[in-house]
Amino acid sequence: DAGITQSPRYKITETGRQVTLMCHQTWSHSYMFWYRQDLGHGLRLIYYSAAADITDKGEVPDGYVVSRSKTENFPLTLESATRSQTSVYFCASSATGRTEAFFGQGTRLTVV
Amino acid sequence: QKEVEQDPGPLSVPEGAIVSLNCTYSNSAFQYFMWYRQYSRKGPELLMYTYSSGNKEDGRFTAQVDKSSKYISLFIRDSQPSDSATYLCAMSANSGYALNFGKGTSLLVTP
Repeated sequence: DAGITQSPRYKITETGRQVTLMCHQTWSHSYMFWYRQDLGHGLRLIYYSAAADITDKGEVPDGYVVSRSKTENFPLTLESATRSQTSVYFCASSATGRTEAFFGQGTRLTVV
Repeated sequence: QKEVEQDPGPLSVPEGAIVSLNCTYSNSAFQYFMWYRQYSRKGPELLMYTYSSGNKEDGRFTAQVDKSSKYISLFIRDSQPSDSATYLCAMSANSGYALNFGKGTSLLVTP
């Protein structure tokens, strides 16, 4: 199916554990993004990537790591999960980076 | 102060009403303006995209950009209960990447 897919949709993990959220897009968009969405804060950019092997920090990068070895995949890793990282995480892709971005369905992460 | 400001609402209107949603911004370099609709527990979906100033119409939806006032609007005509969602504005500049989002306005259209 064409589009952008995130997995898992729901995840519960314990404080201190490493967890990876997956994102896959089929459009061959150059740009991919990770956002987190929290009540009162809206969507905040964590990391973005302009192409394979090119990544850069967004507004709230601390505690997160990304990689992009292939154009279609952009995993987000929480190295040592904290309760403050409980959130809904959205992956998005865009052909140009500055215009329309298309979002996945989100991963709801709970850190206990 | 965030670069993009949006009243969170909630905004409640009767079915058939005209809805006006607005965002203000501070960065005069913003050139690309978008509106997203987000249903509960879903990802944002692109609704309207406008480059620079002016109006754009798509069915019941009209997007307006007033760069002189740093103000953008989304109008929904003949609103339907299915329009009940959170509406997010987003914008970006020619330099840099990624979108700057407002916090979203929650809209409820009652039958």
